[in-house]
Amino acid sequence: GESVGLHLPTLSVQEGDNSIINCAYSNSASDYFIWYKQESGKGPQFIIDIRSNMDKRQGQRVTVLLNKTVKHLSLQIAATQPGDSAVYFCAENIKSGTYKYIFGTGTRLKVLA
Amino acid sequence: DVKVTQSSRYLVKRTGEKVFLECVQDMDHENMFWYRQDPGLGLRLIYFSYDVKMKEKGDIPEGYSVSREKKERFSLILESASTNQTSMYLCASSSPGTGSNYGYTFGSGTRLTVV
Repeated sequence: GESVGLHLPTLSVQEGDNSIINCAYSNSASDYFIWYKQESGKGPQFIIDIRSNMDKRQGQRVTVLLNKTVKHLSLQIAATQPGDSAVYFCAENIKSGTYKYIFGTGTRLKVLA
Repeated sequence: DVKVTQSSRYLVKRTGEKVFLECVQDMDHENMFWYRQDPGLGLRLIYFSYDVKMKEKGDIPEGYSVSREKKERFSLILESASTNQTSMYLCASSSPGTGSNYGYTFGSGTRLTVV
């Protein structure tokens, strides 16, 4: 299949382990953040979001942590499965109430059997 | 299952050709977007539309135009394709106020190669 990015940082984890993917965002005024998953040959898919008035949000097997002090966002995936293999990237809404987003370049997650 | 459908997965066009990329959504969304995605770069917004016949330039509109004659369809036009427009093109749609997700629903992308 086609690759989204040829020079992406790669995180390799054993199946069943937890994964942590990091993102440094750029604008201290950004108030809404999204994590996307993009599988090979497919468009990005929404995973989880978080607003700036929160520092943690949990979904099904995924948790997003927000540290506004250092402008850092992380995505934790519990019990990583082969189907989690994809490129993950974050997006920050730099102007509240608009569709002005900055997208990260992404991290490739490889799940090892 | 709601969808954003891009008409072509792969396209190969010659330099100077006029290229049309089509996108259709079935969610009755007001907002539609065209992005390009290149290795080492995040998604970059080309154009977006918040209503029929309305359009706004994004961050990299040069060399592109768009058309939105119907709510469900948003077309990206490369007036005269150039090799630096070789890229993955992603269409997305969104509707404000849909729960907590103010993000997008993306199509699967069109990989355009200009030779």
